[in-house]
Amino acid sequence: QKEVEQDPGPLSVPEGAIVSLNCTYSNSAFQYFMWYRQYSRKGPELLMYTYSSGNKEDGRFTAQVDKSSKYISLFIRDSQPSDSATYLCAMNDNQGGKLIFGQGTELSVKP
Amino acid sequence: GAVVSQHPSRVICKSGTSVKIECRSLDFQATTMFWYRQFPKQSLMLMATSNEGSKATYEQGVEKDKFLINHASLTLSTLTVTSAHPEDSSFYICSAPDFGGGTTGELFFGEGSRLTVL
Repeated sequence: QKEVEQDPGPLSVPEGAIVSLNCTYSNSAFQYFMWYRQYSRKGPELLMYTYSSGNKEDGRFTAQVDKSSKYISLFIRDSQPSDSATYLCAMNDNQGGKLIFGQGTELSVKP
Repeated sequence: GAVVSQHPSRVICKSGTSVKIECRSLDFQATTMFWYRQFPKQSLMLMATSNEGSKATYEQGVEKDKFLINHASLTLSTLTVTSAHPEDSSFYICSAPDFGGGTTGELFFGEGSRLTVL
C-alpha cells in the first residue's frame, strides 16, 4: 500500500463546475499538507498549505483536512479552462521536510 | 510565493557526457533543497536531499556516484548527472522550503530541467 493514494483520473468537467480532488494517507505522522498544480512540462506550483484539520479557503480553492480519517480534499469552485492541469497532493511530517506525493490527478475543464 | 530558479530548462547531450543542473533560491535562503525526478504522466520521485555544507542524503535505489549533488551556498544546489545514458532522460525538478517572513516551511519548486540523452 502506498503512503499516499490519489485517484489519477483523468477527470473531465464542464466550465463552471465544482471540482473535488481527494487523497488518503496511511501515515498518522503526516502533519503538513499541500496541494500543487502542475501544467505540462512545468514545475509544480504551490496552491494550498495547511497543517490543521478543517477548511482553508483561498479564492476559488478550498483545502480540507480530516486527520482522523486521514483524508484531504481540494475543492475548486467555478472551474475554468485554465484550471486544466495535474493536481498533486503532498504531505510531510515536519516543516520543510521531504514531501510524499500522491500520484496526481489530471483535470480537464471543457469550455 | 518564494521563487526557485532552475537552469538549464532543457538540455540535450550525447551518451557518456555529464550534465550539471543548477537550482537557486532567489529571494530566500535554503539550508536544504530536494531533488526530484519525474517521468511522463507520473508523480514526482524524490532522489535526494541536498544539505548546505554537508553531504547529500540519497533515497534508496538512487546512485550517489551517478547523481552528484553539491550544496555550496545557502542559495545554490547543483545536480550533476555523470556519464549520462538514455535511461537518464527525464524531467528533474528541485524544491526548497521557505522559512522566511513568518512562513512555515512551504516547499516551492523550480520550473524543472528536461534532460534528453541521445
